[in-house]
Amino acid sequence: AQTVTQSQPEMSVQEAETVTLSCTYDTSESDYYLFWYKQPPSRQMILVIRQEAYKQQNATENRFSVNFQKAAKSFSLKISDSQLGDAAMYFCASYYNQGGKLIFGQGTELSVKP
Amino acid sequence: GAGVSQSPSNKVTEKGKDVELRCDPISGHTALYWYRQRLGQGLEFLIYFQGNSAPDKSGLPSDRFSAERTGESVSTLTIQRTQQEDSAVYLCASSFNRNQPQHFGDGTRLSIL
Repeated sequence: AQTVTQSQPEMSVQEAETVTLSCTYDTSESDYYLFWYKQPPSRQMILVIRQEAYKQQNATENRFSVNFQKAAKSFSLKISDSQLGDAAMYFCASYYNQGGKLIFGQGTELSVKP
Repeated sequence: GAGVSQSPSNKVTEKGKDVELRCDPISGHTALYWYRQRLGQGLEFLIYFQGNSAPDKSGLPSDRFSAERTGESVSTLTIQRTQQEDSAVYLCASSFNRNQPQHFGDGTRLSIL
């Protein structure tokens, strides 16, 4: 079975600083995608960043970047220059081309201190 | 609207009643997904539609749960004889096709008394 694990239930960062959220996954598939989603109190899941497993280059989206270590099955999210609006639950998720569903981790609650 | 729309936003009902949750996907999106999110937890997959057919129903927790999609558009998730453990936020997502990013609605918060 495919699994996604987020080992940090809560994280905290000072405004303007950098924080890294951890994620590991387990799969025997070769063709898959990895995602980070943000969920503010409004409940809506917002796509932050996406990584294709076949790409060696780490994805970057403005202040958000990932460290994708395929051999280690690790997919961490780095948030630079943290802003108050970054405070939310962050979910790591995987998607396999042979399936149709996202598999989510348990989430990391990020708080940003002014 | 341009996004995924779910209704109702909140639903409170008594144990044993049936409930129906609705999802309007983004126009043109052929794939539609239902997920359940219990308090403080990640999302659990329930069912996936490609067009009007459901290739993967593996996440439905019991035969009290069913879903349908008509006209490659609106989907309804029905829970019969609700139990307290059904209390959760039910999230719907759609994507242009199976391998494109999923866009989520705001969810329906279901509370079973």
